[in-house]
Amino acid sequence: DTAVSQTPKYLVTQMGNDKSIKCEQNLGHDTMYWYKQDSKKFLKIMFSYNNKELIINETVPNRFSPKSPDKAHLNLHINSLELGDSAVYFCASSQAYAGELFFGEGSRLTVL
Amino acid sequence: GDSVTQMEGPVTLSEEAFLTINCTYTATGYPSLFWYVQYPGEGLQLLLKATKADDKGSNKGFEATYRKETTSFHLEKGSVQVSDSAVYFCALSQGGGGNKLTFGTGTQLKVEL
Repeated sequence: DTAVSQTPKYLVTQMGNDKSIKCEQNLGHDTMYWYKQDSKKFLKIMFSYNNKELIINETVPNRFSPKSPDKAHLNLHINSLELGDSAVYFCASSQAYAGELFFGEGSRLTVL
Repeated sequence: GDSVTQMEGPVTLSEEAFLTINCTYTATGYPSLFWYVQYPGEGLQLLLKATKADDKGSNKGFEATYRKETTSFHLEKGSVQVSDSAVYFCALSQGGGGNKLTFGTGTQLKVEL
């Protein structure tokens, strides 16, 4: 039973399209995150939600809009996709302030 | 702001060799320190952590000691295996305010027979 699951695992799309990535965790955690990993493996936080409330928003273009319908789900919607959005997007969860993050397997987005 | 610096990779070792991956950090206060591992095609997994100065984290034969005086958290293993081939990330967290992790750039380890 996967703890943090993301769908889809792979996504190939054209520039200008809109796409969504979904994330669900069954660990009972109250904090969820989106991280972006670029082609050089560098990881950078994008957003963090605690109990459905946005608490971290790290200078991400407003084409990216996270949505948390409940504390077990955090989805990422991206409008008007650009070539530079190609990356692996990781969802993660943790108990607030606990330090250990549990990551999903990642969603590889390729924009053509 | 906070930052983490790791040695450049890739690091290529023969099986049973000794491993050291250097990690230093810049942060205010007293962060918690972590090593995460990413196996090919997978997400990151916590390998070990230390929450205060002089703590030693250990797991699966890997160890790292939180050195406040040198702001370091170097990862070591006495005898690596082919199955240890992965990308290793050093990270810190200040806790509070969303528990944001700041990662280093990752170090790829390749272990050969």
